[in-house]
Amino acid sequence: EAGVTQFPSHSVIEKGQTVTLRCDPISGHDNLYWYRRVMGKEIKFLLHFVKESKQDESGMPNNRFLAERTGGTYSTLKVQPAELEDSGVYFCASSQNNRGLEAFFGQGTRLTVV
Amino acid sequence: AQSVAQPEDQVNVAEGNPLTVKCTYSVSGNPYLFWYVQYPNRGLQFLLKYITGDNLVKGSYGFEAEFNKSQTSFHLKKPSALVSDSALYFCAVRDKAGGGNKLTFGTGTQLKVEL
Repeated sequence: EAGVTQFPSHSVIEKGQTVTLRCDPISGHDNLYWYRRVMGKEIKFLLHFVKESKQDESGMPNNRFLAERTGGTYSTLKVQPAELEDSGVYFCASSQNNRGLEAFFGQGTRLTVV
Repeated sequence: AQSVAQPEDQVNVAEGNPLTVKCTYSVSGNPYLFWYVQYPNRGLQFLLKYITGDNLVKGSYGFEAEFNKSQTSFHLKKPSALVSDSALYFCAVRDKAGGGNKLTFGTGTQLKVEL
């Protein structure tokens, strides 16, 4: 069974540009999450989809970040325009419908804004 | 609000010795607790979880963790460390009743196992 996959693995962009990150969850997982780790700090929650609906977007830092999950399958996270402080590792995770179950994470996308 | 504290940025241990990576948590209700590990250039990998029942839970690669409700702790342990255990370890909590489905993570502890 394929795990959670993220594209690209690395991205270096200039301040002001746009970047789109993609996540393909494990097939059959209704829950999809985005997290971010800024250098040396904790992994912070960004948002949670249940199928195509945003269940919780309380962690989204500002309106430069836009997440979508059309059709309840893969998800994209767009940053427009990117700022220096957006640099970090963006993780996607998916899980089945039980709060006691673990989430499975992708390998992350390392975003560097210069 | 839920939170996790991992008080040690780095833990060094000799191969063959027991290891402990500390974690304390705070939730308004009862917790689900998780440990994840990140090897270099890899994603987060699930190690073990506490849901309910026995306070001592066993996970992958010989790791175990003990849930202590009175001390609000969930320390990760292994009786005999291997060099290959060297990695970044994250503790995470989810409130059973509230706070949504999100996981709240600690800042991570770098484990270094030396020969």
